[in-house]
Amino acid sequence: GAVVSQHPSRVICKSGTSVKIECRSLDFQATTMFWYRQFPKQSLMLMATSNEGSKATYEQGVEKDKFLINHASLTLSTLTVTSAHPEDSSFYICSPLGQPKEGNTIYFGEGSWLTVV
Amino acid sequence: AQKITQTQPGMFVQEKEAVTLDCTYDTSDPSYGLFWYKQPSSGEMIFLIYQGSYDQQNATEGRYSLNFQKARKSANLVISASQLGDSAMYFCAMTLSFISSGSARQLTFGSGTQLTVLP
Repeated sequence: GAVVSQHPSRVICKSGTSVKIECRSLDFQATTMFWYRQFPKQSLMLMATSNEGSKATYEQGVEKDKFLINHASLTLSTLTVTSAHPEDSSFYICSPLGQPKEGNTIYFGEGSWLTVV
Repeated sequence: AQKITQTQPGMFVQEKEAVTLDCTYDTSDPSYGLFWYKQPSSGEMIFLIYQGSYDQQNATEGRYSLNFQKARKSANLVISASQLGDSAMYFCAMTLSFISSGSARQLTFGSGTQLTVLP
């Protein structure tokens, strides 16, 4: 079964509004959460890294005030896209890091397709 | 900084045939892990196989095997007996350090290879 749950899977929002994406680790405690973004026909690019209870670290070129990340517990991290614009339309996917459930595996959420109109 | 290179934007294979997807990597760190993920059109990232830098044997998972050539810094994915459901985007990725110790870092991805299995 799924070990990472991400919601919503698809969201359409109006330009200027904010959207919150949730990522839950179901079977283990995620001390670290990675958030990636994937534009159409491109690869996954790391946006930010968050550790439970502390501020997120953002990759170069990612606006921390636009992409708010909260990692308040070991099982939940949220990404909020504030004042969304059409260029923010993308696939967002989380990847928690903790004690692996089995073997050497890095898990991902199901991903969230964001369309800003 | 580490880098992953996938030189095949698209590949075609006949159903039931084997196919090799290429991946080369570059890192100066001696400890790293290599992954292959399958991404269907739905977007989810499906873990296929993992190879640690100190693993002596090539990893295998069912129809998937990883041809790990450390000196050449390559980690090619071999899919045997291709099925129509194998049609998807495939990503090679790398993390530094070992995930089994809980100390892995973020994944660096290649640009991906779109595999199409023909009936």
